[in-house]
Amino acid sequence: RKEVEQDPGPFNVPEGATVAFNCTYSNSASQSFFWYRQDCRKEPKLLMSVYSSGNEDGRFTAQLNRASQYISLLIRDSKLSDSATYLCVVNSNYGGSQGNLIFGKGTKLSVKP
Amino acid sequence: DGGITQSPKYLFRKEGQNVTLSCEQNLNHDAMYWYRQDPGQGLRLIYYSQIVNDFQKGDIAEGYSVSREKKESFPLTVTSAQKNPTAFYLCASRVRDRGNNEQFFGPGTRLTVL
Repeated sequence: RKEVEQDPGPFNVPEGATVAFNCTYSNSASQSFFWYRQDCRKEPKLLMSVYSSGNEDGRFTAQLNRASQYISLLIRDSKLSDSATYLCVVNSNYGGSQGNLIFGKGTKLSVKP
Repeated sequence: DGGITQSPKYLFRKEGQNVTLSCEQNLNHDAMYWYRQDPGQGLRLIYYSQIVNDFQKGDIAEGYSVSREKKESFPLTVTSAQKNPTAFYLCASRVRDRGNNEQFFGPGTRLTVL
């Protein structure tokens, strides 16, 4: 089983649409969860951390289901500028280090006018 | 401004040559990381360092070497032993805090082997 799995997409949506990304992870001991955004040919940048109680930042809502080892990201009222690849990221204890991160392959989003 | 810098942005190498990619951070972060990204693939960990003068192999360390002589610097050498070195290389760093695993990335170096 892959450590972090995401639907690769692409998701092609019109402006204003609501889009949801899902992610599953295999390490039940993981404690930190993130969504990163990566623009084409750029470095990943943190979009938001994901907390057990769920969290919202403007049009973005992230949720975590520890029992199902499932993470989601919801984008409401999508903008052209939301077009990017969204990476689901989970911490691991590789080599005894809880600070190491495991990255999903990403889900590509394309928002059209 | 604090941040992570990587140089060069683009690098071309002939087969059989070693090349060194630079990564510098002025965020006072303890831990630093090197990743490789191939098209359509996730980031794969090459090496990481939790503290000066110490580093550990990641998932794909073969054909690479690193050093961590200063807190601010974590250079990566791609040796001729790396069979398929053409890729996008990303350096990252983070505070060595058990409660905070967020990593900050540099702009990356695109390496092409001719």
